[in-house]
Amino acid sequence: GAVVSQHPSRVICKSGTSVKIECRSLDFQATTMFWYRQFPKQSLMLMATSNEGSKATYEQGVEKDKFLINHASLTLSTLTVTSAHPEDSSFYICSASLAGGGLEQFFGPGTRLTVL
Amino acid sequence: LAKTTQPISMDSYEGQEVNITCSHNNIATNDYITWYQQFPSQGPRFIIQGYKTKVTNEVASLFIPADRKSSTLSLPRVSLSDTAVYYCLVGDMYDSGAGSYQLTFGKGTKLSVIP
Repeated sequence: GAVVSQHPSRVICKSGTSVKIECRSLDFQATTMFWYRQFPKQSLMLMATSNEGSKATYEQGVEKDKFLINHASLTLSTLTVTSAHPEDSSFYICSASLAGGGLEQFFGPGTRLTVL
Repeated sequence: LAKTTQPISMDSYEGQEVNITCSHNNIATNDYITWYQQFPSQGPRFIIQGYKTKVTNEVASLFIPADRKSSTLSLPRVSLSDTAVYYCLVGDMYDSGAGSYQLTFGKGTKLSVIP
């Protein structure tokens, strides 16, 4: 099956710094990638939809200036958490869908962000 | 997007068959039903997808009645490694090309398999 990787798997940073998370589709091209956030014991919440070569679409309540998304190629999307604060500590997961459609999304292993 | 309702948790002994039912009363004509499995601190993993009747693969079966207002994920002979959260999602199968179709995760069902 299609494989999606994320890097780093976990990161600890100081409050006020920025953190970049990479999401890569390893063996397929993904026209669309999704970014989710999951707090402990809660479900995944969609943050934004990222389309290659265009601006991301953010869900209501997600600050686009704080969570910068870049989808520069068909295999790479990045999420940058700018000026991170402790409340941004969460599990960030990306997913990708195959070019051409299908409801199935392939999820990355997630990135655990801890902001001190 | 159709809203889904699942039991919050279920317990089962090893070796038993587990059936998790999901309600989706306002499912649309073009919507497909998909189930994902998630282990702690991991991304969700696709289990099975269907539109109507019954679908079976190497890990599970999915039963969908004629009215499609509910679906049941069936896991045969569960083992301890099946302890996870299971999510039922409903959405349009077709990619609009704009890449805007979305998956909305409900609260999921936490399955605990007991030895």
